[in-house]
Amino acid sequence: GNSVTQMEGPVTLSEEAFLTINCTYTATGYPSLFWYVQYPGEGLQLLLKATKADDKGSNKGFEATYRKETTSFHLEKGSVQVSDSAVYFCALSEGAGGTSYGKLTFGQGTILTVHP
Amino acid sequence: GAVVSQHPSRVICKSGTSVKIECRSLDFQATTMFWYRQFPKQSLMLMATSNEGSKATYEQGVEKDKFLINHASLTLSTLTVTSAHPEDSSFYICSARDDAGFTYNSPLHFGNGTRLTVT
Repeated sequence: GNSVTQMEGPVTLSEEAFLTINCTYTATGYPSLFWYVQYPGEGLQLLLKATKADDKGSNKGFEATYRKETTSFHLEKGSVQVSDSAVYFCALSEGAGGTSYGKLTFGQGTILTVHP
Repeated sequence: GAVVSQHPSRVICKSGTSVKIECRSLDFQATTMFWYRQFPKQSLMLMATSNEGSKATYEQGVEKDKFLINHASLTLSTLTVTSAHPEDSSFYICSARDDAGFTYNSPLHFGNGTRLTVT
């Protein structure tokens, strides 16, 4: 079955530091890949997505590239801010024709804390 | 943007009682909604897929009779935890996909979750 593995957290950084959160996946077919963010006390929000190999998703200074050869979708940001403190989830959605059409499979989430 | 309203945000109930959680899409129609359960420091586990006008599809290991799902309209799905026990205490999150332009890679819109505590 499909699975998503994220790096262990929590991750604690100082403001303006470089961020990488690793994400690897296993899936049948051609999944789409997503990063969702959950701010304290809120629901999940889509941060970015990529729908095919070599696509780069980007939003709010975050970016991630769909790497089929390494089955990875690592999240990066060049300079984090205190307001980026949240839980980040990597997820995949199985492609059309799969038995899990449209469902999301989530990684375990990574807690990010950014200090001033 | 697309908004999903989930209510209540917190509920405390006594063991043996039932609790209903509502999930509404406020500005879009959603034939399909999803119910997740999130354990502390763990990921979201899909419990069931809620389909308007038909029975929900439950994931393996989820008790259908304990977690009743009703998708009464294109904007409302409810999850009822029946005869709740302390082990049902968790964070429940609903999500919905906008029917307009739906494809397998369309993003989900999430509610803010419901913290259920069974005493």
